[in-house]
Amino acid sequence: NAGVTQTPKFRILKIGQSMTLQCAQDMNHNYMYWYRQDPGMGLKLIYYSVGAGITDKGEVPNGYNVSRSTTEDFPLRLELAAPSQTSVYFCASSYPPSLGRANEKLFFGSGTQLSVL
Amino acid sequence: AQSVTQPDIHITVSEGASLELRCNYSYGATPYLFWYVQSPGQGLQLLLKYFSGDTLVQGIKGFEAEFKRSQSSFNLRKPSVHWSDAAEYFCAVGPYSGAGSYQLTFGKGTKLSVIP
Repeated sequence: NAGVTQTPKFRILKIGQSMTLQCAQDMNHNYMYWYRQDPGMGLKLIYYSVGAGITDKGEVPNGYNVSRSTTEDFPLRLELAAPSQTSVYFCASSYPPSLGRANEKLFFGSGTQLSVL
Repeated sequence: AQSVTQPDIHITVSEGASLELRCNYSYGATPYLFWYVQSPGQGLQLLLKYFSGDTLVQGIKGFEAEFKRSQSSFNLRKPSVHWSDAAEYFCAVGPYSGAGSYQLTFGKGTKLSVIP
């Protein structure tokens, strides 16, 4: 009963390095999301995906890339890390919304704390 | 554009006291409203949601929230706070849509501290 699994939990990067944050879910959810959480700023949507092979930008996509080759996995890629990308990153998943469906909710992973120095 | 305002950044209450966390939203259509809780070092967990129908909704852990359309508010309440309720609470609003994207806008959060 794993739910949404994120790895790694912590990472320190140097400016200009690249890395991939991994996210996997075992609930067969179509929708997956990446959020970043900065202190006092709530959560901002980076990218989301409505199914394998389909991704779209959220509110703050610059500096990030995603792919969705399978239903289970939704990795987030940082190509050239910058100090402004220091944040806590959360992956989430959900069923797709539909009229009359009252049980939609986001299932969150436990987060990846990233520092870029 | 949709937006959420949580006016209180930090609230401190005594254990056993009542609690109300405020949330105001701006949305052009029928809103889909949520309250999430985040314990330290954890992801967010859904407390309750409002979709339609009864404007007073019950959630987990003894929380409830009331939707007031005239005030554009969705305040979270609990009659008696427990020390384990200390966490950060996020209000969120999303589109009520049967198709297309499903994007939530989150407030900045209210941190709750509980005095024993």
